[in-house]
Amino acid sequence: DAKTTQPPSMDCAEGRAANLPCNHSTISGNEYVYWYRQIHSQGPQYIIHGLKNNETNEMASLIITEDRKSSTLILPHATLRDTAVYYCIVRPLYNFNKFYFGSGTKLNVKP
Amino acid sequence: DTAVSQTPKYLVTQMGNDKSIKCEQNLGHDTMYWYKQDSKKFLKIMFSYNNKELIINETVPNRFSPKSPDKAHLNLHINSLELGDSAVYFCASSQVSGGSYNEQFFGPGTRLTVL
Repeated sequence: DAKTTQPPSMDCAEGRAANLPCNHSTISGNEYVYWYRQIHSQGPQYIIHGLKNNETNEMASLIITEDRKSSTLILPHATLRDTAVYYCIVRPLYNFNKFYFGSGTKLNVKP
Repeated sequence: DTAVSQTPKYLVTQMGNDKSIKCEQNLGHDTMYWYKQDSKKFLKIMFSYNNKELIINETVPNRFSPKSPDKAHLNLHINSLELGDSAVYFCASSQVSGGSYNEQFFGPGTRLTVL
């Protein structure tokens, strides 16, 4: 049921920016894009979300393409503690509880 | 000051047994959830309770029964455990009413192993 496509894994050097792509070509106009991550089988952790504008918070930036069919999560200065599985999720606006986590991207941050 | 807590953290049991997992949140949220993460790491929603009412039941076998005594607690009871029930079960909570987004806070998980 996941409506997103992500690469299974990516590597990033410590201190460099990590850019994680997500394809959501069937996204509807009122659906939000959410990003969560899961560090070593801990509970998933919310990172950021957006509708159509780019968003930034203390953890990351979210860049959504103009046609909204894809997005990129940017961790500006990756650290070893950012090694995790990152999930891109599309959520219907009026169905607050339909969160489907796909397979995600395993980000490996290397020294 | 744990936001979402689950007990137990690990649960090992025999096939056919009945077991319960407890979840508590101290965030004042109005919605709580149960997720199952299988061996392939896919995370699937099982149940959601909003103000003590069930609002999602995602084709989960009726051996699984969520029980919410109050807004801060959502327990998961499993009857007649099967090998395929082995997984990590996550509880989560969020505030749904009054906001346009739904940031979910997850518990640490309960690893269930059925022998």
